[in-house]
Amino acid sequence: GGIITQTPKFLIGQEGQKLTLKCQQNFNHDTMYWYRQDSGKGLRLIYYSITENDLQKGDLSEGYDASREKKSSFSLTVTSAQKNEMAVFLCASSITGQSNERLFFGHGTKLSVL
Amino acid sequence: GDSVTQTEGLVTLTEGLPVMLNCTYQTIYSNPFLFWYVHYLNESPRLLLKSSTDNKRTEHQGFHATLHKSSSSFHLQKSSAQLSDSALYYCALRNVNTGNYKYVFGAGTRLKVIA
Repeated sequence: GGIITQTPKFLIGQEGQKLTLKCQQNFNHDTMYWYRQDSGKGLRLIYYSITENDLQKGDLSEGYDASREKKSSFSLTVTSAQKNEMAVFLCASSITGQSNERLFFGHGTKLSVL
Repeated sequence: GDSVTQTEGLVTLTEGLPVMLNCTYQTIYSNPFLFWYVHYLNESPRLLLKSSTDNKRTEHQGFHATLHKSSSSFHLQKSSAQLSDSALYYCALRNVNTGNYKYVFGAGTRLKVIA
């Protein structure tokens, strides 16, 4: 089996700061995703990537950048942290286009902005 | 675009009672995959059930769901709730073979089972 590792687990930032979250997977999956988890709003897609160096915007991409320089890694940057922002960011990967496709998730990065 | 609607907010049940978490969806495509993911505290979300077959019951770990395309529904059920079922449950949709790799999630339903 494989694993998705997100770093850091907890991230505390200052208002206006640029913050980077990292995600590594060893499933050898093509597609990777970044979701934001907020209570009562579900999982909202920020960015996804279907292959190395590919980037696709999700519904919540404003205020974020992403990078997929290697197949195994997908990073997300909060371009300017908002004061009092609190959220959990979940990274996921999947095999796509097959009958057994599904998402595998990391444990998340919890962001708090002071 | 695609959308998923779930039972809202918090569902509190007494142990032993049946579980029913509602999920309905909207999509223009005729062959969606529907998923239920479960997110336990301090763990990562994981797949509970999935289906793309109309009117076929899918079961896993005591839970079951049936995709009904006629009503665009994929409700999650269990005959008897256990304390360990307390978690956040997400219904999700994906349209394969459309060139769209997005999974669309509902807002999530938090299930709390009490003794």
